[in-house]
Amino acid sequence: EDKVVQSPLSLVVHEGDTVTLNCSYEVTNFRSLLWYKQEKKAPTFLFMLTSSGIEKKSGRLSSILDKKELFSILNITATQTGDSAVYLCAYGQNFVFGPGTRLSVLP
Amino acid sequence: DVKVTQSSRYLVKRTGEKVFLECVQDMDHENMFWYRQDPGLGLRLIYFSYDVKMKEKGDIPEGYSVSREKKERFSLILESASTNQTSMYLCAGRTDLYGYTFGSGTRLTVV
Repeated sequence: EDKVVQSPLSLVVHEGDTVTLNCSYEVTNFRSLLWYKQEKKAPTFLFMLTSSGIEKKSGRLSSILDKKELFSILNITATQTGDSAVYLCAYGQNFVFGPGTRLSVLP
Repeated sequence: DVKVTQSSRYLVKRTGEKVFLECVQDMDHENMFWYRQDPGLGLRLIYFSYDVKMKEKGDIPEGYSVSREKKERFSLILESASTNQTSMYLCAGRTDLYGYTFGSGTRLTVV
């Protein structure tokens, strides 16, 4: 059975901290891995990763995939209160989602 | 930008009612999905469709059905609503470039 595990499930930091969110997966037919940010509404797309070792960046966020070890990380540097959200990792043709990491950034 | 629209943001229904959740996309793509989201469980796939009149069961199809009569519209049907179907329901369309685009969600409460 395809599976996605995220850690930690919950994280509280202060503004300015750097955080690393983890996503590991067990798949039968890997195609791509995606990261989403969900605040109060529906998830919004952050990154799609298909190749190992190639970092994708968007402002203070970056992500990388390791297909050999079956994991991905999402880094957020210089966190702000607006980064508070649930971060979801998903993979595969039909996108199996992990449970999410709830990040709280305190002022 | 691609757009996925869910017709209702909030719904309250009674146990045993038949409930329709509507989703419309403007991407002209075939792939559409219905998820439910519950605290601590993440997003779980109910049904998906790769083409008109085509549907496949996801991980938790029990108690649900779907309808895809036109490419742009994918409806989720609760045949006889129950309290354990109280949840946030998210519709999504998928593109190869952007992955999934989600609708804004429908928060359904069954009383």
